[in-house]
Amino acid sequence: GENVEQHPSTLSVQEGDSAVIKCTYSDSASNYFPWYKQELGKRPQLIIDIRSNVGEKKDQRIAVTLNKTAKHFSLHITETQPEDSAVYFCAATPPEGGSEKLVFGKGTKLTVNP
Amino acid sequence: DTGVSQDPRHKITKRGQNVTFRCDPISEHNRLYWYRQTLGQGPEFLTYFQNEAQLEKSRLLSDRFSAERPKGSFSTLEIQRTEQGDSAMYLCASRSNVPASGYTFGSGTRLTVV
Repeated sequence: GENVEQHPSTLSVQEGDSAVIKCTYSDSASNYFPWYKQELGKRPQLIIDIRSNVGEKKDQRIAVTLNKTAKHFSLHITETQPEDSAVYFCAATPPEGGSEKLVFGKGTKLTVNP
Repeated sequence: DTGVSQDPRHKITKRGQNVTFRCDPISEHNRLYWYRQTLGQGPEFLTYFQNEAQLEKSRLLSDRFSAERPKGSFSTLEIQRTEQGDSAMYLCASRSNVPASGYTFGSGTRLTVV
């Protein structure tokens, strides 16, 4: 089955710097790659997603890039702010079974220092 | 109906007891998922419903776990003879059949087995 690896597990940046989180997946047939932000004690919230027919997607300070050949995708946050501090999860959706379930990485704890 | 609701938010139970959790998805969403999240990990898929039909179950879902969605609206997840290893956050998510639609997660039920 699908396996998603996420790096780094922790990331600390200064306010205003950029942050990059990387994920790799194993199933070349996976076709949907969302990113979730989870603040302590709260629900995961979708922040951006990308489908396998697109190489890059941007939404204000957040962007995601996908390299299907290498089977990796990355989250880029520019001009980081303290409120960006949270745990970020990447996920991939393998097509088998038709459920479009999400297979998550283990998360990256991002700390933005003021 | 502004989101996915889960009840209860917290549950403490003694080992060996049965527990039941409820999820009310977004009303127009016909796809419903249960995930389990332990500390420091990403959510792990448990099971999937399309309307009232349970179409996929993870091997994580032992025979002590059962899930239902009798009318295609709310869902319940029951754990029988709870074990300490069942302690986790149980997350429910829903989405529509529209291609490229994202998941909406509930706030979860945190189960502690003592």
